[in-house]
Order: sequence, then structure tokens, then C-alpha cells
Amino acid sequence: SQKIEQNSEALNIQEGKTATLTCNYTNYSPAYLQWYRQDPGRGPVFLLLIRENEKEKRKERLKVTFDTTLKQSLFHITASQPADSATYLCALDENYGQNFVFGPGTRLSVLP
Amino acid sequence: KAGVTQTPRYLIKTRGQQVTLSCSPISGHRSVSWYQQTPGQGLQFLFEYFSETQRNKGNFPGRFSGRQFSNSRSEMNVSTLELGDSALYLCASSLNGDTQYFGPGTRLTVL
Repeated sequence: SQKIEQNSEALNIQEGKTATLTCNYTNYSPAYLQWYRQDPGRGPVFLLLIRENEKEKRKERLKVTFDTTLKQSLFHITASQPADSATYLCALDENYGQNFVFGPGTRLSVLP
Repeated sequence: KAGVTQTPRYLIKTRGQQVTLSCSPISGHRSVSWYQQTPGQGLQFLFEYFSETQRNKGNFPGRFSGRQFSNSRSEMNVSTLELGDSALYLCASSLNGDTQYFGPGTRLTVL
């Protein structure tokens, strides 16, 4: 069956460290994968998109990798700050952008 | 450019009633998707509309329906509400089918 998983429900790290979040999927062949940030009571906000033919993408303190052989994406936040505390969702497209499947999310807490 | 707007933001209904939620996409976006988010099931895809046509539908019962108007605004309707329909309903618009821009959501509570 199809499944998309994120490594842990919650992750606590110390300010200034690198946070690494994992997204694994089975029985999907996405053309691209995305990461979103969601704050309590608000809609998700798009962060990064990485295509199947890309290995790595960066944006400021964010980095995402995509390994289609392992069926895994890693999301890194370097020099983390308390303001980075939020739930992070990975999403993959199931039908050429016509519908997206979201992972359950990882709630990140950056401790000062 | 204004973001995605959803109305109402909060709604309380009783079992058996029906509800209509509204979504206005970002100007120029023709694709509108709807999602249901609950603590137990996470974010689940309901359906996607493009140019007034439903292109894709998630695994939800027929009580959940939607439509899109010629100005790309979309409505979602849930009939015969059940307690389990209590959730945050999110609308997202997209220009080219990849990046989704979400609205703030409508928090529906069914009593």
C-alpha cells in the first residue's frame, strides 16, 4: 500500500544546531516533493520544492535532498532559531500536480 | 497580491445539518484544492478544481462536494454532517500545479 512517513512526531533541538527531518515514502513515484511549514491554527506555507532529477536544493538556512532510490527526502535547517519552531510537512504529488499527499508532519521545537 | 482567503473562519453546526465553505484563490490561479486536516488523520486531499472542472477527488464520501466558478472562486459543501467531520478545512490555490498556496482555513465544529 502507499505510505508517506516522517521520522518522528516531535523533535527538540538546541538553538544554533542543525535540525534534520526525514520523509520516507513507499509505492509512489513523485515527479517532485515539497516541504511546508505550518504554525498552529494556520494553513501550511510552502518552503521548498525539489524535482526527481535534483539531488539537493537550498534556500537561505534551508536545505532539502531527494533520493528517489531510497525513496527519501531530508530537510535541514541550519543555525536553528526558536522562530523555526513549527510543524513541518512533506508532500509529494500523486498526479502531475492535481493532488498532493502530505506526510503526518514533524513538530519541531527549537529550545533557546 | 492578496493571498488565499477562506470564509467563514469558524463555524459551529449540529449533526445532520449541511455547510458551505468558500475559498477565493490568489488572482490568476485557476487551480483550487481542498483538504481536511484532523489531529488523527493529518492533511487529507478532498478534491481539486481547474477551470470549473473537478480533475481529481480524494477518498471521501459523496456527502463532500464542491464546485468552482468562472472567476476561480470555489465552494465546498458537506451535507448531513457527522461528528467526525469536525476539522480544519483548508483551501489551496496554485498557478502551475506545483506550489500550493494555502488559506488560513475554516475551523468546523460539529456538535
